[in-house]
Amino acid sequence: EDQVTQSPEALRLQEGESSSLNCSYTVSGLRGLFWYRQDPGKGPEFLFTLYSAGEEKEKERLKATLTKKESFLHITAPKPEDSATYLCAVQARYGGSQGNLIFGKGTKLSVKP
Amino acid sequence: DGGITQSPKYLFRKEGQNVTLSCEQNLNHDAMYWYRQDPGQGLRLIYYSQIVNDFQKGDIAEGYSVSREKKESFPLTVTSAQKNPTAFYLCASSKLLNTEAFFGQGTRLTVV
Repeated sequence: EDQVTQSPEALRLQEGESSSLNCSYTVSGLRGLFWYRQDPGKGPEFLFTLYSAGEEKEKERLKATLTKKESFLHITAPKPEDSATYLCAVQARYGGSQGNLIFGKGTKLSVKP
Repeated sequence: DGGITQSPKYLFRKEGQNVTLSCEQNLNHDAMYWYRQDPGQGLRLIYYSQIVNDFQKGDIAEGYSVSREKKESFPLTVTSAQKNPTAFYLCASSKLLNTEAFFGQGTRLTVV
């Protein structure tokens, strides 16, 4: 069964304290992996798409990387405005959920000043 | 500005009533989706549509219905057959099926 697991469920950081969020996945052939940011009571905001192992993408303090089994979202010197829930989703190439996005439960990040 | 508009933001309905959630996009996207989000769970796909007048069931379609009469619009009806309708509903669209999806701001439905 296609599955996405995000860890940790919650992460508290001090401003400037770098860390990483993990997204591990099991799918029948990966077509793409997506990262979103979601603020409370709002819809997810698209951040990155990764397609193949070894691929990396950056945006401001965020950097996403991809291996054959997992993806990391690295946050460098976070600021309080980076506080949000970060969602990971994968798109399978084959199988019953072919083509559809499978979302993890998210990691809730809190950055304290 | 281009984007996806969901309305209303909050919706209250009595048990047993049908309710329709609106979703409009002006991004000229072909594909549109409806997701449901519950606390502690990932987003779950209700219905999706690749083109006008065509739509497919997602993982949790029971108790829901949709239509796609126009490219820009993809309304979701939550029927009385949906056993646990209280949730946060998200509409999304993408240029092609399952490429980068862009989400609306959501509708929080509470059934009392």
